[in-house]
Amino acid sequence: SSETTQDPAVSVALGQTVRITCQGDSLRTSYASWYQQKPGQAPVLVIYGKNNRPSGEIPDRFSCASSGSTASLTITGAQAEDEADYYCNSRDSNGNWVFGGGTKLTVL
Amino acid sequence: QVQLQQWGAGLLKPSETLSLTCAVYGGSFSDFYWTWIRQPPGKGLECIGEIHHSGSSNYSPSLRSRVTMSIDTSKKQFSLRLSSVTAADTAVYYCARGVSASPKSYMDVWGKGTTVIVSS
Repeated sequence: SSETTQDPAVSVALGQTVRITCQGDSLRTSYASWYQQKPGQAPVLVIYGKNNRPSGEIPDRFSCASSGSTASLTITGAQAEDEADYYCNSRDSNGNWVFGGGTKLTVL
Repeated sequence: QVQLQQWGAGLLKPSETLSLTCAVYGGSFSDFYWTWIRQPPGKGLECIGEIHHSGSSNYSPSLRSRVTMSIDTSKKQFSLRLSSVTAADTAVYYCARGVSASPKSYMDVWGKGTTVIVSS
């Protein structure tokens, strides 16, 4: 299957650490990329590959990891401005881009 | 800094053809996968497909029969056509720049999005 799944919603207390996961067969052979989307805005690339952040734009509290068919995005010391929807993305075995269903992050 | 500017008709009737164009400002047009993504109201992101600067394209299996993408390298523009639209095609449509260097792939630049509503 080329589907990737994410938990629909996750919450974190301000300043604490949260991990958002993405699962799918495509992640066994392809790194995930992660996107943040705030209401009414286009998605923004947060992190990709082996913990690569777009230069100068994304705080280093965002990190990523992968193991087997699971990829994860970790926010260490979540801030109020991190509240958003987060999507993972990868290419499947046919070369198609596949997005996860998205995770709504609430910062309490 | 690379920017994507997109435009196209925002209101369509069922059975009409959706047509959107995205222009690339700044940066190279080569060696990238120019992609279209859509997001129905209140739902997640769906990749429609991509076109390489060489002209080769790859479409989502679920939309392949209705999608055509084209590219104009001289103008640094790429376009999407989606035929026989229905209300299910109502969404915000984004263009984006895709980078693929296996095993990592990502979309690093996005357009602002175009809202397309299909209604009779």
